[in-house]
Amino acid sequence: DTAVSQTPKYLVTQMGNDKSIKCEQNLGHDTMYWYKQDSKKFLKIMFSYNNKELIINETVPNRFSPKSPDKAHLNLHINSLELGDSAVYFCASSHLPTNTEAFFGQGTRLTVV
Amino acid sequence: GENVEQHPSTLSVQEGDSAVIKCTYSDSASNYFPWYKQELGKRPQLIIDIRSNVGEKKDQRIAVTLNKTAKHFSLHITETQPEDSAVYFCAACFSGGYNKLIFGAGTRLAVHP
Repeated sequence: DTAVSQTPKYLVTQMGNDKSIKCEQNLGHDTMYWYKQDSKKFLKIMFSYNNKELIINETVPNRFSPKSPDKAHLNLHINSLELGDSAVYFCASSHLPTNTEAFFGQGTRLTVV
Repeated sequence: GENVEQHPSTLSVQEGDSAVIKCTYSDSASNYFPWYKQELGKRPQLIIDIRSNVGEKKDQRIAVTLNKTAKHFSLHITETQPEDSAVYFCAACFSGGYNKLIFGAGTRLAVHP
């Protein structure tokens, strides 16, 4: 019944490693997002896809690469992890790409050591 | 630039009191303003939203007001309860065609019994 689900929930890894976070939504939404929430709880959009097409790409290091195999899935791959990448990453989806509610996943707490 | 300012950063009230959180935004073309509640360790969840064609919206103990001229919107919670304790985020959907939600920095609300 989970609307937006992400895996894993927790991820602890060493600097320099490459890791992926997966996200799936069963709401039939066309638009999906990745948000980063830092230690001060600030929520910042990273990427958005609409029907598998990248529509928002904020100023994010190119070590971060999203991939949407279909409109129900949006994965995030991170290369060469750095300490500053430690944060909670939230996937979200919305019915339309504009002016509609975003439904968030439960978050992935990434800790880089 | 795209900016949403939110005040206060922390708010402590007694059970039964009212709480008010205020936000201002920079893009005069913004027309969608959601409020999200994030409980500790949980995902952000929409509690109320308002569009630019209305000045006020109410849902039980929660209300939101919008002043488009001043680029200002506020969340009002009446008869606060301990379960209202959480971090509240305002957001504005910035123009440009896509749902680029820019979030405020959050308000940590503590309701004391």
